Amino acid sequence: EVQLVESGGGLVQPGRSLRLSCAASGFTFDDYAMHWVRQAPGKGLEWVSGISWNSGSIGYADSVKGRFTISRDNAKNSLYLQMNSLRAEDTALYYCAKDMSETLFAANADYWGQGTLVTVSS
Amino acid sequence: EIVMTQSPATLSVSPGERATLSCRASQSVSSNLAWYQQKPGQAPRLLIYGASTRATGIPARFSGSGSGTEFTLTISSLQSEDFAVYYCQQYNTLYTFGQGTKLEIK
Repeated sequence: EVQLVESGGGLVQPGRSLRLSCAASGFTFDDYAMHWVRQAPGKGLEWVSGISWNSGSIGYADSVKGRFTISRDNAKNSLYLQMNSLRAEDTALYYCAKDMSETLFAANADYWGQGTLVTVSS
Repeated sequence: EIVMTQSPATLSVSPGERATLSCRASQSVSSNLAWYQQKPGQAPRLLIYGASTRATGIPARFSGSGSGTEFTLTISSLQSEDFAVYYCQQYNTLYTFGQGTKLEIK
């Protein structure tokens, strides 16, 4: 059974940093691309960032480019999102999601975690 | 950026009836389109990918159609567990989601 468990969310002041983690199990982690997708309270889904199986291809939404960094450790079956210079508009539930392909921009996500909540407020 | 527009924003349908949800892309996304279902307090669940292929374990009452810029998700006979929010997503150029259609009980 595919399991994705996010952690690292919390309350943080504007301008500060936070690092999210996603622990994956139930599938061969290094066979698939992975994503972070967020959902602001009461709003829709927004793709944040994605990374290919070998970290050779990485993409970001314009809204986070230059502030967020995605990475993965295939030996630890883990995905990460380093979030710097956080803003109030980054407040959201952040989901980790598994892609159906090993590369980016070839397929969609098929499994999602339950999310970790990030609140940016002073 | 490819903009995905879903209609209607809210759809009221009685159990047992058919529901038809629409998704339009601002430019062609070929068949690189997925549909997700999200219930309150839950993560999204993949229903359809490749515009028309049902994901594993998805009942046959869910079907997807379309290509290019116009797509449809049809639920042939609504069950109580189908009332939720539905999102389309293109993965042809980066990834963008529609704003969602809330399917509610009439």
